[in-house]
Parts: sequence; C-alpha cells; structure tokens
Amino acid sequence: RKEVEQDPGPFNVPEGATVAFNCTYSNSASQSFFWYRQDCRKEPKLLMSVYSSGNEDGRFTAQLNRASQYISLLIRDSKLSDSATYLCVVNMPGGYQKVTFGTGTKLQVIP
Amino acid sequence: DADVTQTPRNRITKTGKRIMLECSQTKGHDRMYWYRQDPGLGLRLIYYSFDVKDINKGEISDGYSVSRQAQAKFSLSLESAIPNQTALYFCATRGTGRDGGELFFGEGSRLTVL
Repeated sequence: RKEVEQDPGPFNVPEGATVAFNCTYSNSASQSFFWYRQDCRKEPKLLMSVYSSGNEDGRFTAQLNRASQYISLLIRDSKLSDSATYLCVVNMPGGYQKVTFGTGTKLQVIP
Repeated sequence: DADVTQTPRNRITKTGKRIMLECSQTKGHDRMYWYRQDPGLGLRLIYYSFDVKDINKGEISDGYSVSRQAQAKFSLSLESAIPNQTALYFCATRGTGRDGGELFFGEGSRLTVL
C-alpha cells in the first residue's frame, strides 16, 4: 500500500460545480497534512494546511479524519482558474520530518 | 525575483555526460531539498540537507550527488547521466516550526537525457 494515495482523476467538472477530493495515508503516526496546488509544468505551491478541526479558506475547505486516515479538499463554485493538479502532502514525525507527496489529482473545470 | 531559483531551467544532454543543477534561495531557510517528479509517480526525494554540514540521502539517491556550498546554495549532480534520469527536478526549502513549515519550491529544471 502506498503511503499516500490519491485518485489521479481527471475530474472534469463544469464551472460553478462543487468537487471533492480525498487522500488516504497509511501511517497513523502522521502528524501534519497539507494540500498543494500544481499548475501544468509549474512548481507546487501551498494551497492550505489541514487541521484537525478542519479549515476553510474562501471556496476551499479541508478536513482531516484521523480515524479513517484520510484528508479531503472541497472546492465550491469551481472556477476555470481552479484547473490544476492537487497534491496531498503528509508529514511524518521525527527529526527528518519526512514529507510524502501523493501523486496528485487532476482537476479540469470546463466552461 | 523568485525566492528559490534553479538553473538551468531546461537542459538536454547525452548519456554519460555530467550534469549539475543549481539551486539558490533568499528565504534564509536551513533546510533544502531536491526532488524529482515523473508522471504518475509524484515527487520523490533525492537528497536533503538541514545545514551546510548536513547531507542526507532520500528515497532515490542512487546516481546522484549533492553539494551544500552555503546556506543559500544546494547543487545536485548527475555524474554520468542516463535516460531514466529524464525528469522534472525541483529544489525546495523549508523553514522550521512545530510541523516543519511550508515547502517553497523553485520553478523546476527539466532535464532530458538522450
């Protein structure tokens, strides 16, 4: 089993739709969680951190479910500019603070 | 100017050639990383460094070496490039904090080995 798993997609959704991605992780000791956004041929950039209590930033909501070992990202009112690959990132404890990336979920918002 | 700068941005080379990818940062971070990205495999860690005297292998270090010349500079070398090292390479930095903080990436170096 991969340490961090994501559905690669692509998710093709119309503008204005709500779309949700999940990401599962295998190590229950994982400490912190993030969603990064990566545009085609560009570098990944932090979208948002994922807190135990969940967090919201405008149209984006991130949730953590430790019992089931997954995190989710919900995008409401999708815009064309949301088209990108969304990377799930999980940090492990310890001095190294190992960072593991999912392979990404591709979102295409269609006019 | 970008906080994390990689050179070259694109490089085509031949099998057996020595290649160096350079990374410099202005964020003042101690932690620096080299990743490669391949379609369907995500980002995989090659090497990482927590300070100038600290170099550590990542998941896929075979065929690569690094040099941390200064806090701000971290170079990745391919001593004898081979075609399966064709990939998009990213340098990243990270601050310190309880959870290690956000990773800041350079714009990437696209390497093609023929």
